Amino acid sequence: DSGVTQTPKHLITATGQRVTLRCSPRSGDLSVYWYQQSLDQGLQFLIHYYNGEERAKGNILERFSAQQFPDLHSELNLSSLELGDSALYFCASSNNEQFFGPGTRLTVL
Amino acid sequence: GQNIDQPTEMTATEGAIVQINCTYQTSGFNGLFWYQQHAGEAPTFLSYNVLDGLEEKGRFSSFLSRSKGYSYLLLKELQMKDSASYLCAVRAYSGAGSYQLTFGKGTKLSVIP
Repeated sequence: DSGVTQTPKHLITATGQRVTLRCSPRSGDLSVYWYQQSLDQGLQFLIHYYNGEERAKGNILERFSAQQFPDLHSELNLSSLELGDSALYFCASSNNEQFFGPGTRLTVL
Repeated sequence: GQNIDQPTEMTATEGAIVQINCTYQTSGFNGLFWYQQHAGEAPTFLSYNVLDGLEEKGRFSSFLSRSKGYSYLLLKELQMKDSASYLCAVRAYSGAGSYQLTFGKGTKLSVIP
């Protein structure tokens, strides 16, 4: 158990819909990173938040957004969903090395 | 940008030793990480190198040469449960106080009896 929690574990939705994925970092970690992992792709960095502020953006689509709240949990919002958005979404929190949550498997039908 | 290369697949025998190589090109290098990932599960941290040399951790060792942009993960006394993907990840400074991890596509290791 990494100490990072993610909900929900699985999510099935239709194209065009909007979903919110939630992540709680390990106690004491201020950084939260979001990644997308598709079947044939490696882990793709999406966005990094530190203590409530956005610090870096990776390959994140404009349809996707994130935020980190004062209690340090983070949410990733995915809108206008497409079939290609089906993937595993991981968040990680970091002190030095990154510790990953169990992931949310998103299926867009 | 950053470029990370590692073999796509490897097969090794139970009880043997296997070395998984990783080469990278990056600017602002700030460390190299190895993660293990079983299918459908989260990556789990294995090792971290920021200085040249070998880091040993039980059956797992990781080596780094910054001048060559090269690292390897060495797994000894292979067990069937070591069958997984092994991800090489490079951390680099990306500005605004942020360090970004870029992952290779992973090496799928199959351990056979």
